[in-house]
Amino acid sequence: DAGITQSPRYKITETGRQVTLMCHQTWSHSYMFWYRQDLGHGLRLIYYSAAADITDKGEVPDGYVVSRSKTENFPLTLESATRSQTSVYFCASSARDSTNEKLFFGSGTQLSVL
Amino acid sequence: AQKITQTQPGMFVQEKEAVTLDCTYDTSDQSYGLFWYKQPSSGEMIFLIYQGSYDEQNATEGRYSLNFQKARKSANLVISASQLGDSAMYFCAMRGNTGGFKTIFGAGTRLFVKA
Repeated sequence: DAGITQSPRYKITETGRQVTLMCHQTWSHSYMFWYRQDLGHGLRLIYYSAAADITDKGEVPDGYVVSRSKTENFPLTLESATRSQTSVYFCASSARDSTNEKLFFGSGTQLSVL
Repeated sequence: AQKITQTQPGMFVQEKEAVTLDCTYDTSDQSYGLFWYKQPSSGEMIFLIYQGSYDEQNATEGRYSLNFQKARKSANLVISASQLGDSAMYFCAMRGNTGGFKTIFGAGTRLFVKA
C-alpha cells in the first residue's frame, strides 16, 4: 500500500531490552520525523531527518537512536528500554524544504515497557 | 527556541455552536508555518488547516478558520457549527526554517461536543 506505514502496531517489551520501531514511506519524501505522544505533553519530537544519511536531534532524543540509510526508511531504536519510554510513537514525513509542508503520519506504534 | 502553547486542556461546546481553540507560539524565525491537526479517538492524525507567516488573510477550510494575529503570536482555530464528529484532540503545530524545517507541536486541546 502507498503511504507511510509503521510496524509493529503494538509492542510489549521489558526494561533493558533493545527494541526497534520501523517506519516506511513510499512517496520519496525528503523529511521524516519521529514523535512520541504522552498525555499532557502532546507530540514531542524525538529525531528527524532531512534526507538519507542526515539526522538531527529533536526535543527529547535521549535513549533513542535513528538511522536513515535509505530515503524510504527511518527506524527508531530504543537501545535499552525504560518504563518512561512507554508511549505512542508516530512516524511522519513531509515532502520538501519549506515551511508550508504539512506532515503525513503513520498509524502509530503503541509501546509498553514493563 | 521554538515553542507552541495550548492552554486549554479540555473544552466543551454545544452542537451547532462555534468554538475557538487557543494557540500561541514563540519563534525567532521570520518565515514559518502554523498548522492544526485533529486526532479522533481512532488515533490517526488529520491535517486541518495551514497559515503562513506572510499570509495577510486568515486561512479558511470549510468550517475551520485560523484566526492569525502575528503581533500577538497567536493562531487560534475556530470551528463553526460544531458537529458531534468534531469531538477529538486538536493540536497546534509550527514549522520554521531554522534548524532544518522541523515541526513542533503543542500539548493539545481535547474538544467535547455536546448534543
